[in-house]
Amino acid sequence: GNSVTQMEGPVTLSEEAFLTINCTYTATGYPSLFWYVQYPGEGLQLLLKATKADDKGSNKGFEATYRKETTSFHLEKGSVQVSDSAVYFCALIAYSGAGSYQLTFGKGTKLSVIP
Amino acid sequence: EAGVTQFPSHSVIEKGQTVTLRCDPISGHDNLYWYRRVMGKEIKFLLHFVKESKQDESGMPNNRFLAERTGGTYSTLKVQPAELEDSGVYFCASSPGLLNYGYTFGSGTRLTVV
Repeated sequence: GNSVTQMEGPVTLSEEAFLTINCTYTATGYPSLFWYVQYPGEGLQLLLKATKADDKGSNKGFEATYRKETTSFHLEKGSVQVSDSAVYFCALIAYSGAGSYQLTFGKGTKLSVIP
Repeated sequence: EAGVTQFPSHSVIEKGQTVTLRCDPISGHDNLYWYRRVMGKEIKFLLHFVKESKQDESGMPNNRFLAERTGGTYSTLKVQPAELEDSGVYFCASSPGLLNYGYTFGSGTRLTVV
């Protein structure tokens, strides 16, 4: 089946530090890859996406590159801010084998940024 | 455009009672999904509607859960009777297509069964 593995948290960083959250996947066929973010008290928001190999998704200073050869989609940001504190979910959409395409999530990584 | 709307935002019920969650997708989105996150665990797929039809309900945990999407518009998810392990956050999402579109999620309904 399809699955997403992302680094365990929580992750605590100082403001302006570099962020990497690792994500690897296994999937049927050729998935599309996503990062979602959940800020405290809010719902899930799409942060960025990539739909084919070597695509780079970017948004709000965050980036992730679809690496087919390593089945990875690591999230990076050069300089985090306190407002980036949230839970980050790596996810993919691929054929589920049950008649539809499903969005499959990793377990989430909680990021706390301290001033 | 209006986003995906879910209500109630919170619900606390006793074990054995019935609860109905509602989701209003983005207008024009044929695909509607239900997901659930039990405390500390992964966000898990429950089911997928295309218009009013259930395309995939492989994630529904048992027959205490019933989802409907009347007329292909809003959807309801009923839990009857609720059990303690049903507590969690229930998310609804919609999308205009299948593979290359990120889903737009609602804010979720936090269900607590006591």
